[in-house]
Amino acid sequence: GAGVSQTPSNKVTEKGKYVELRCDPISGHTALYWYRQSLGQGPEFLIYFQGTGAADDSGLPNDRFFAVRPEGSVSTLKIQRTERGDSAVYLCASSLYQGTGELFFGEGSRLTVL
Amino acid sequence: DAKTTQPPSMDCAEGRAANLPCNHSTISGNEYVYWYRQIHSQGPQYIIHGLKNNETNEMASLIITEDRKSSTLILPHATLRDTAVYYCIVRVGSSNTGKLIFGQGTTLQVK
Repeated sequence: GAGVSQTPSNKVTEKGKYVELRCDPISGHTALYWYRQSLGQGPEFLIYFQGTGAADDSGLPNDRFFAVRPEGSVSTLKIQRTERGDSAVYLCASSLYQGTGELFFGEGSRLTVL
Repeated sequence: DAKTTQPPSMDCAEGRAANLPCNHSTISGNEYVYWYRQIHSQGPQYIIHGLKNNETNEMASLIITEDRKSSTLILPHATLRDTAVYYCIVRVGSSNTGKLIFGQGTTLQVK
């Protein structure tokens, strides 16, 4: 079956612009996670959803970052007024349920802010 | 969740066993040890996890010391495709939060 799908795979934008990154989880997976990864670093947790609700958003760096999952499947990570420091690979993962530590990751969306 | 310590890098000859160590001296009794790996330009991939017994699957074996303060991931016959960053993570098994906290990992170079 299909894995976690993320679009776009690459996004180049200018400082101050608004960006949306999309994640399609594995069908039937109730938990969805967003991470971001800077060059040479491990993935950094941002937010995770159980169903439609954000169960833990403690990793969002500031209020320019927001994520939604309105129907409990597809999720969108939204970044307002992008800054050069937002440049990173944004990874999405899903899992069958929130208690499991077996996450399935997509290949990421590479965001470059000029 | 407990912190882990891994060497930043290791080399392994192709065809030989790769033994990747991880220290987690502050691990709690209800915390599991998870291993993930990340091949260049891909998302992390789950490998294996365990609580206190040794575990084996088609990818690797996980050896956890009796005091659970350290573990070793073993790739029995490393190939070039096993070159990746390997992350050791400890996490409460039935945690209400599914999030994993990644460290810097070990970069394994198979030559």
